[in-house]
Amino acid sequence: KNQVEQSPQSLIILEGKNCTLQCNYTVSPFSNLRWYKQDTGRGPVSLTIMTFSENTKSNGRYTATLDADTKQSSLHITASQLSDSASYICVVSSKDMRFGAGTRLTVKP
Amino acid sequence: SQTIHQWPATLVQPVGSPLSLECTVEGTSNPNLYWYRQAAGRGLQLLFYSVGIGQISSEVPQNLSASRPQDRQFILSSKKLLLSDSGFYLCAWSAPLLSHYEQYFGPGTRLTVT
Repeated sequence: KNQVEQSPQSLIILEGKNCTLQCNYTVSPFSNLRWYKQDTGRGPVSLTIMTFSENTKSNGRYTATLDADTKQSSLHITASQLSDSASYICVVSSKDMRFGAGTRLTVKP
Repeated sequence: SQTIHQWPATLVQPVGSPLSLECTVEGTSNPNLYWYRQAAGRGLQLLFYSVGIGQISSEVPQNLSASRPQDRQFILSSKKLLLSDSGFYLCAWSAPLLSHYEQYFGPGTRLTVT
């Protein structure tokens, strides 16, 4: 069983709408949690990184939250754009790094 | 600023042929280097990581090997490719002693084994 579970597996939204992606993890001990954006056929690019003491981190229209007690994180995208279409990967670091399988987001005009 | 390069960008190889993928990093010294594989619709799988020249750790036993002949060069190899080696291969680097903090990924190599 993967120690980092992401949901939904895929998501389709209309341009301009908001959406929230979820990441639940069982990794322990916890070091940090990162969200990456991966365009098709490209390498992942970091969006946010949060340590244990941080519960919110923003990067433009992207806002990540972390609840270390419940071991849950979310990535909220505001006013989506066509360029937001990509896979979003949650990565939790412990003694090593654990990757979620990603959420495939498609933004339609 | 730091940059990471991978080549080739795409590769189609027959089963049983050898493989060599190269990754180089610029603008940093003594980086930690990583090779990942991403199968279609799957998450990233760490294959190898290196904390220095000649120091390679393997995460998953497999048909592949890695080498680090120079400080900022990381090579992924195979003597005989299998169909199951097809996938998207990503190289990444992180600052020394901060391997769990931030990793920066290269553009990737799409490998198709036929």
